[in-house]
Amino acid sequence: SQQGEEDPQALSIQEGENATMNCSYKTSINNLQWYRQNSGRGLVHLILIRSNEREKHSGRLRVTLDTSKKSSSLLITASRAADTASYFCATHTGANSKLTFGKGITLSVRP
Amino acid sequence: DAGVIQSPRHEVTEMGQEVTLRCKPISGHNSLFWYRQTMMRGLELLIYFNNNVPIDDSGMPEDRFSAKMPNASFSTLKIQPSEPRDSAVYFCASSLRQATGELFFGEGSRLTVL
Repeated sequence: SQQGEEDPQALSIQEGENATMNCSYKTSINNLQWYRQNSGRGLVHLILIRSNEREKHSGRLRVTLDTSKKSSSLLITASRAADTASYFCATHTGANSKLTFGKGITLSVRP
Repeated sequence: DAGVIQSPRHEVTEMGQEVTLRCKPISGHNSLFWYRQTMMRGLELLIYFNNNVPIDDSGMPEDRFSAKMPNASFSTLKIQPSEPRDSAVYFCASSLRQATGELFFGEGSRLTVL
């Protein structure tokens, strides 16, 4: 079953603009992670935010987490054509290593 | 580091045939995961191993699917007999930090069952 659900399903922006993607989940989590997948490739880990953290930065990425609303957002600033990909949120729950992924957001950055 | 290595990258087979997908995790990683990705269902966790031991296989669709990890550097996912609905991209991923679950994915094996 899907734990994380991303919103919107697809996003198209101009190069240089910011891209904001949202993820909602249903149960308590240990951490939430964002991954990127280029067409025909495997997923690549971008950033992890723990349940006791509210915001985290990594380069042009900014992730926020609101555990009261069970939601997270991923912001990509100053987007580039190379950012075109699918983005997935994944929730880590329980004492084991299980990660559950959402269905992903397709981001298109127009040059 | 070579990353997670999967083979074959592409497999086309006929219904009823046996399919074996292979995975070599990153050296030193102690957790290994098999996921299946389709447009309709997204990414589904099939099974995962900790220290070569299967921990949770509740995602394995049915008895036609089986997975093994005979040692720390090799795992297989077998489908026998294969059916057209098994067509998907199968990903293997490995993890070092069991507590956080950060995954490193292979490039996937695209399976088409005719």
